[in-house]
Amino acid sequence: EVQLQESGPGLVKPSQSLSLTCSVTGYSITSNYWGWIRKFPGNKMEWMGYISYSGSTSYNPSLKSRISITRDTSKNQFFLQLNSVTTEDTATYYCARESGSYDWYFDFWGPGTMVTVSS
Amino acid sequence: DTVLTQSPALAVSPGERVSISCRASEGVNSYMHWYQQKPGQQPKLLIYKASNLASGVPARFSGSGSGTDFTLTIDPVEADDTATYFCQQSWNDPWTFGGGTKLELK
Repeated sequence: EVQLQESGPGLVKPSQSLSLTCSVTGYSITSNYWGWIRKFPGNKMEWMGYISYSGSTSYNPSLKSRISITRDTSKNQFFLQLNSVTTEDTATYYCARESGSYDWYFDFWGPGTMVTVSS
Repeated sequence: DTVLTQSPALAVSPGERVSISCRASEGVNSYMHWYQQKPGQQPKLLIYKASNLASGVPARFSGSGSGTDFTLTIDPVEADDTATYFCQQSWNDPWTFGGGTKLELK
């Protein structure tokens, strides 16, 4: 079965960069699209961006100047980097697989990792 | 961005039928999807493209709607359905989520 697992620092200082890894097992990231979604305190959820099977990316315009999603196909991992973080980036970060149908919904999710931005 | 509006909370008794609504600020065709999230867990896909049941999801869950108004129905509700339910649209860029409806059982 497809499994995703996020990892990375749980605490990041303001103005620094947030870097997370999503490790995928049971399925190759050279198929489908792979996304990052975050959930803020209070339940608001935001789609951040995705990386495709070919390595192309698409980002939420609200983050476009700060976000980068990359991958390492040899390790079957993809990565999130968010620059110049503020306290408003405090959230639970999820990686997820787009279904592959080009209907753009997420059928497998990681358990999430909580990131706090604080000095 | 397309804003998806959901009622914050609902309370129902086990065995009853419940409808959870999601209204979009602009048309999303049938590209509305529903997720269930329990505390401490990741979202779980329930319904895709408005009315299609995801794999392994009980037939007690169903979805309907198109355009701007969508509904997730649970019939009958069971105790295990206590969770927050989110809608997500993927017709307009960027994809957006509703604020979630917390379902509580009486």
